[in-house]
Amino acid sequence: DTGVSQDPRHKITKRGQNVTFRCDPISEHNRLYWYRQTLGQGPEFLTYFQNEAQLEKSRLLSDRFSAERPKGSFSTLEIQRTEQGDSAMYLCASSPLAGSTDTQYFGPGTRLTVL
Amino acid sequence: AQSVAQPEDQVNVAEGNPLTVKCTYSVSGNPYLFWYVQYPNRGLQFLLKYITGDNLVKGSYGFEAEFNKSQTSFHLKKPSALVSDSALYFCAVRRGDNKLIFGAGTRLAVHP
Repeated sequence: DTGVSQDPRHKITKRGQNVTFRCDPISEHNRLYWYRQTLGQGPEFLTYFQNEAQLEKSRLLSDRFSAERPKGSFSTLEIQRTEQGDSAMYLCASSPLAGSTDTQYFGPGTRLTVL
Repeated sequence: AQSVAQPEDQVNVAEGNPLTVKCTYSVSGNPYLFWYVQYPNRGLQFLLKYITGDNLVKGSYGFEAEFNKSQTSFHLKKPSALVSDSALYFCAVRRGDNKLIFGAGTRLAVHP
């Protein structure tokens, strides 16, 4: 399967713990995006990378959130000191070029539950 | 500010009947519009997009969408619904900086 992959698919954690999610984009896609989707809502943009550079962060991304893409390939999203409000599906997407018409292809998501 | 509205939380249709899932948008400049489908506990699958050109866009799984600039709409359609089409459908508009702005989604239920 050459699509976007995410790991883990599910994560249950206790409030206050740190969690890290990984996203592997489609090979040679140089743009990578993170979105968050809560129940009953559409995905909301968090941040995106072009190669290893993080170009934009949403106001939704508090100081407890950090994302990296160190070699321009896979990306990690870390949440520190998790809160119950962080419970959501975290979606990763990638696109092949830097043009505004390019399609974003999504991974299966990581569902986070904070107890 | 750019936004997308999906006025129906749920659409019910009988198998074999045509279906329409509605989407309206508000953007400055030319809109780049997308439809995605989401099955339970899955990510979003790309269906189709409108960038420019013909107002009728054909996509995956027999779906098509009609862009209407005067009505600022981009409704998703299919001539004959299948039970397997039952899922959550999202309309999205892309900003110039490549961020996707999604609607709240419409649940499509196709009954046998």
